[in-house]
Amino acid sequence: SQKIEQNSEALNIQEGKTATLTCNYTNYSPAYLQWYRQDPGRGPVFLLLIRENEKEKRKERLKVTFDTTLKQSLFHITASQPADSATYLCALDALYSSASKIIFGSGTRLSIRP
Amino acid sequence: GAGVSQSPSNKVTEKGKDVELRCDPISGHTALYWYRQSLGQGLEFLIYFQGNSAPDKSGLPSDRFSAERTGGSVSTLTIQRTQQEDSAVYLCASRSGNTRSDTQYFGPGTRLTVL
Repeated sequence: SQKIEQNSEALNIQEGKTATLTCNYTNYSPAYLQWYRQDPGRGPVFLLLIRENEKEKRKERLKVTFDTTLKQSLFHITASQPADSATYLCALDALYSSASKIIFGSGTRLSIRP
Repeated sequence: GAGVSQSPSNKVTEKGKDVELRCDPISGHTALYWYRQSLGQGLEFLIYFQGNSAPDKSGLPSDRFSAERTGGSVSTLTIQRTQQEDSAVYLCASRSGNTRSDTQYFGPGTRLTVL
């Protein structure tokens, strides 16, 4: 069956370190993959999109990689800050899927301690 | 400009009652999605509207769920004869165009509790 998996356990990182979150998928051939941030009581907020022909994408302290051979995306936050504490969701669109469906992972909760 | 808004923010209802959840998308956005998010779970796709096209209802979990979008703007998600397993946060998102990679903008959600 088709699955998208993220670290189910919370990730606790010391401020200033790099946080790395993982998104693995099976039985998809995604055209692109997105990362969102979700704070408690709020809807997700889009952060980055990476396409299948891109290896890496950066935005300020954020970096996303996409390995279609490993079927994995890594999301990095460098020089992490307590304000980066949130749940991070990956989402992918699969080639040949229905015109609308984007599949979300269950998210990884990230805590940055001062 | 204003983002996506949803109402009510919280809804508590008794099992068996009907509920209506409302979504006001960003003005001019032609695409609108409804998702459901249960505790500790990812977003579960429910239904998608794009312009005047027939909606994609493939994610609706049962025939108790329905949604409509009037005038290409406001959308209402209706759950009839609510069950306890319907308790979740219902999120609405809108998107400006018909390209799937365009950013979805989410509302704050409606937290539904069925007693």
